[in-house]
Amino acid sequence: QLQLQESGPGLVKPSETLSLTCTVSGGSISSSSYYWGWIRQPPGKGLEWIGSIYYSGSTYYNPSLKSRVTISVDTSKNQFSLKLSSVTAADTAVYYCARAIAARSPRVDYWGQGTLVTVSS
Amino acid sequence: NFMLTQPHSVSESPGKTVTISCTRSSGSIASNYVQWYQQRPGSSPTTVIYEDNQRPSGVPDRFSGSIDSSSNSASLTISGLKTEDEADYYCQSYDSSTWVFGGGTKLTVL
Repeated sequence: QLQLQESGPGLVKPSETLSLTCTVSGGSISSSSYYWGWIRQPPGKGLEWIGSIYYSGSTYYNPSLKSRVTISVDTSKNQFSLKLSSVTAADTAVYYCARAIAARSPRVDYWGQGTLVTVSS
Repeated sequence: NFMLTQPHSVSESPGKTVTISCTRSSGSIASNYVQWYQQRPGSSPTTVIYEDNQRPSGVPDRFSGSIDSSSNSASLTISGLKTEDEADYYCQSYDSSTWVFGGGTKLTVL
């Protein structure tokens, strides 16, 4: 059974960089059949796609966040990571890592449990 | 890029049928598949419909999906409502390497 687990600081100061890692177990991150992505959900609000990465390293970002986002993959550790720079209180959210099937219209088939990141001084 | 617009909330009684809409703002709804995710409070989302109208194994056939090109929208229909269906539902599609989620619909079963 595939499992995804987010890890990283739960509290980040304004203007700093949010860094999260997703560890994948029960499957290989190097498969050509999947994308690996980050999705966030502010408290009481809806889902927002942040970006995704293919095992080859190709990245795709939400245009509204593109200038602040970097997603990378470490196939040796079966992990992928998110960095979001210059954070503000508006970036406070539950951050989910996810696997998406690389199809005509990618769809998420596995989600991590999510991790709450609060931006506050 | 495009947006997916959902009603903020819907409510219906147990045993009844409810339909949640998801309207695409630009471009054809048929150009890329639509998925539907269910999210219960405190939990990660799970897929109830993928590729417009396909059900993952384990999802009851009370859940069905469709698209309507005339209204440029997708719909999630849940029949024989149960209290356990009370949750938030999100539609999702794709275009130009971008994943787009609808704003979500809160389903209340009362």
